[in-house]
Amino acid sequence: GENVEQHPSTLSVQEGDSAVIKCTYSDSASNYFPWYKQELGKRPQLIIDIRSNVGEKKDQRIAVTLNKTAKHFSLHITETQPEDSAVYFCAASHNAGNMLTFGGGTRLMVKP
Amino acid sequence: NAGVTQTPKFQVLKTGQSMTLQCAQDMNHEYMSWYRQDPGMGLRLIHYSVGAGITDQGEVPNGYNVSRSTTEDFPLRLLSAAPSQTSVYFCASSYSSPGQWAGPAKNIQYFGAGTRLSVL
Repeated sequence: GENVEQHPSTLSVQEGDSAVIKCTYSDSASNYFPWYKQELGKRPQLIIDIRSNVGEKKDQRIAVTLNKTAKHFSLHITETQPEDSAVYFCAASHNAGNMLTFGGGTRLMVKP
Repeated sequence: NAGVTQTPKFQVLKTGQSMTLQCAQDMNHEYMSWYRQDPGMGLRLIHYSVGAGITDQGEVPNGYNVSRSTTEDFPLRLLSAAPSQTSVYFCASSYSSPGQWAGPAKNIQYFGAGTRLSVL
């Protein structure tokens, strides 16, 4: 089955700096890669996603890049703000059904 | 729309007890799934369903049962609770969004608020 590795597990940045979280996946058939943000005690919420026919996608301060050859994808957050502090999860799936495999999560702390 | 509703929010069980975690969605989504979230381990898929009457196992199905008699409801049953089942449980529902320009379809998952379960 699919295996998703996520790094780093913890990331601390100064407000205004950029943050990068990286994930690798094992199943070359995977074709959909969402990113979720989970604030303390809350449910995960989708913040951005990318399909395998696209190399990069951007939404304001967040962007995701995908390298299918190397089987890795990354989340980039620019101009970080304290409200970006949360746990971020990457995920991968290879069908239109329900099978999302999640990475272990990255706790991002943005220091004011 | 209420979205995905999970009950209860908190539950404490004794080892060996059984219980059902409820999950309902009002978005007419075809897909539903259950995850457990343990510290430092992300979200792991327990069971999922691609439609009423159809269920399948995920990564960690042992000790849990599911059924999908309606599109709206997807209950998760703990048969005989064990301390190892202490976790936060999330139900999610999703739909498949067809890809444009022959791109792959994607499923947009919506999570419930979670059930925090402690087994003593």
